[in-house]
Amino acid sequence: DQQVKQNSPSLSVQEGRISILNCDYTNSMFDYFLWYKKYPAEGPTFLISISSIKDKNEDGRFTVFLNKSAKHLSLHIVPSQPGDSAVYFCAAAGAGSYQLTFGKGTKLSVIP
Amino acid sequence: KAGVTQTPRYLIKTRGQQVTLSCSPISGHRSVSWYQQTPGQGLQFLFEYFSETQRNKGNFPGRFSGRQFSNSRSEMNVSTLELGDSALYLCASSFRGGGSSYNEQFFGPGTRLTVL
Repeated sequence: DQQVKQNSPSLSVQEGRISILNCDYTNSMFDYFLWYKKYPAEGPTFLISISSIKDKNEDGRFTVFLNKSAKHLSLHIVPSQPGDSAVYFCAAAGAGSYQLTFGKGTKLSVIP
Repeated sequence: KAGVTQTPRYLIKTRGQQVTLSCSPISGHRSVSWYQQTPGQGLQFLFEYFSETQRNKGNFPGRFSGRQFSNSRSEMNVSTLELGDSALYLCASSFRGGGSSYNEQFFGPGTRLTVL
């Protein structure tokens, strides 16, 4: 039973445009959400996170939106750059837990 | 500040052998978690250690074990290796401060284990 789902295995976006990566979760006990970026043969790199008490968090070109009622979060990258091409993972943790549950990832390709 | 380091980076073993992987967290981080990444199952949580104690355990058989030392370095051990244990094993460290606030986890580069 997948508790965190990333339904789009891949996404292609033109350089300079907005990339929107989506993530859905089923466990209402999740309290904290994170996005990681991963290049081949490297460990995931932390990008941005959001607590369940917020609905938006921004860090430079990256913004994460959380809709608790829909159990949905999204990562917006504006503007997209070729160096953003990677696999993006959505992850969630319960309150006080450091056990991350990951989605299967979305491969983003930013086309110059 | 140095990142999370994992050794070895690559390992080849045969079925039935055992293996020990090592992880050194970011300086000052006291929590170390281990994850297994495979093409079929994605990233799955193995266990977390904090203050030399296992705090959480994922749904893996008892062949998978770990420990944490007083300097926060951690090792994980897999005994009686099976072909299906071939995977990228990732270690993540976190400050894990007091209270209910969450502190982000930072990952190492991983150890690629191949079981023949």
